[in-house]
Amino acid sequence: ETGVTQSPTHLIKTRGQQVTLRCSSQSGHNTVSWYQQALGQGPQFIFQYYREEENGRGNFPPRFSGLQFPNYSSELNVNALELDDSALYLCASSGGLAGVGTGELFFGEGSRLTVL
Amino acid sequence: QKEVEQDPGPLSVPEGAIVSLNCTYSNSAFQYFMWYRQYSRKGPELLMYTYSSGNKEDGRFTAQVDKSSKYISLFIRDSQPSDSATYLCAMKDTNAGKSTFGDGTTLTVKP
Repeated sequence: ETGVTQSPTHLIKTRGQQVTLRCSSQSGHNTVSWYQQALGQGPQFIFQYYREEENGRGNFPPRFSGLQFPNYSSELNVNALELDDSALYLCASSGGLAGVGTGELFFGEGSRLTVL
Repeated sequence: QKEVEQDPGPLSVPEGAIVSLNCTYSNSAFQYFMWYRQYSRKGPELLMYTYSSGNKEDGRFTAQVDKSSKYISLFIRDSQPSDSATYLCAMKDTNAGKSTFGDGTTLTVKP
């Protein structure tokens, strides 16, 4: 059984640039959620995808967007990067529809983004 | 005020001690309660999951949920240095896709 994998693990961007982060979900999982974790804080929900459709969004501006592909992998895109976007971006997969499920999330190791 | 409040610590205990980690919450719609462990520079790992009120035990770990008080706890018995990590509580209601996390308690178990 393959776990959740994310790429890249680390990246540095400058303010105003765009970034794409990628996630492969755990085998058999069809729901992917993205979270932002700032230093010293808990993960904050960005959005969730189920069967290629967005299924809930947190309090993040539209410059945060995402995609889910037929194989359930996912991308997080952030446009017009700001200094406050520096954080660990976590992808989590779950089986079934997490919205009506238990909330058991299986996280990847994260992509650490630094915006200069 | 945050929906989920967690004692930030840090918490330092000797090996073998019993550790108590706690969270309070304000949203009465939360039905699922989770504890995650996060090692430095790693993603969170699910430790325990509980539905509604009650206790759940798994080895050295016990999770308790008191919905009437909006209070959850994680107890670690016979703590080990390998338990040193940040512990995150998380909660979810039945109809929402998102889990709401506390900010974590950092635990150090000294040999």
